[in-house]
Amino acid sequence: NAGVMQNPRHLVRRRGQEARLRCSPMKGHSHVYWYRQLPEEGLKFMVYLQKENIIDESGMPKERFSAEFPKEGPSILRIQQVVRGDSAAYFCASSLGEGPQHFGDGTRLSIL
Amino acid sequence: EDQVTQSPEALRLQEGESSSLNCSYTVSGLRGLFWYRQDPGKGPEFLFTLYSAGEEKEKERLKATLTKKESFLHITAPKPEDSATYLCAVQVLSADGLTFGKGTHLIIQP
Repeated sequence: NAGVMQNPRHLVRRRGQEARLRCSPMKGHSHVYWYRQLPEEGLKFMVYLQKENIIDESGMPKERFSAEFPKEGPSILRIQQVVRGDSAAYFCASSLGEGPQHFGDGTRLSIL
Repeated sequence: EDQVTQSPEALRLQEGESSSLNCSYTVSGLRGLFWYRQDPGKGPEFLFTLYSAGEEKEKERLKATLTKKESFLHITAPKPEDSATYLCAVQVLSADGLTFGKGTHLIIQP
């Protein structure tokens, strides 16, 4: 019963380093979504991808953030030159397209 | 701008004490409304999808209903294991990402 798998579960980076978060969708799902959850705030949509395509990146910060979902392998959310404000829980979800999105348990990113 | 407001922010009930959680939404065009449960340190766990006003879904002690402006999550005779944060989210016709409320933190005391 493989659900959405995210790794690492916890990631610590120093300011200025790069963070790479990985997400393997549920079996059979080809639609991937990334969300960010800041302390005391709700989940915020960042980006929606299908295999090799970014469909909607309207919630992604314009600088330092990028996402990909290659033909083979997991989806990657990449944050370059991290700053303290990037500390958050990052969640990935997947779906069949229509129907509910199913979430992983997140990556908790801490910036020193 | 699409908005989702959940109330109350927190709710403490005695075991067996039924209640309802509210989710009010303002959207340009609703594709679907979703309820999730989130436990500490975990990701949201899908509960229900509602698509049109008047629709109801039920699962164990939970029942979700939908009107044109709001949704309710009714909890009947809750147990301590129902303690969690309940999240409401909407998906609009023009987008694929979900817009979430801030959640209701529910505590069921034995």
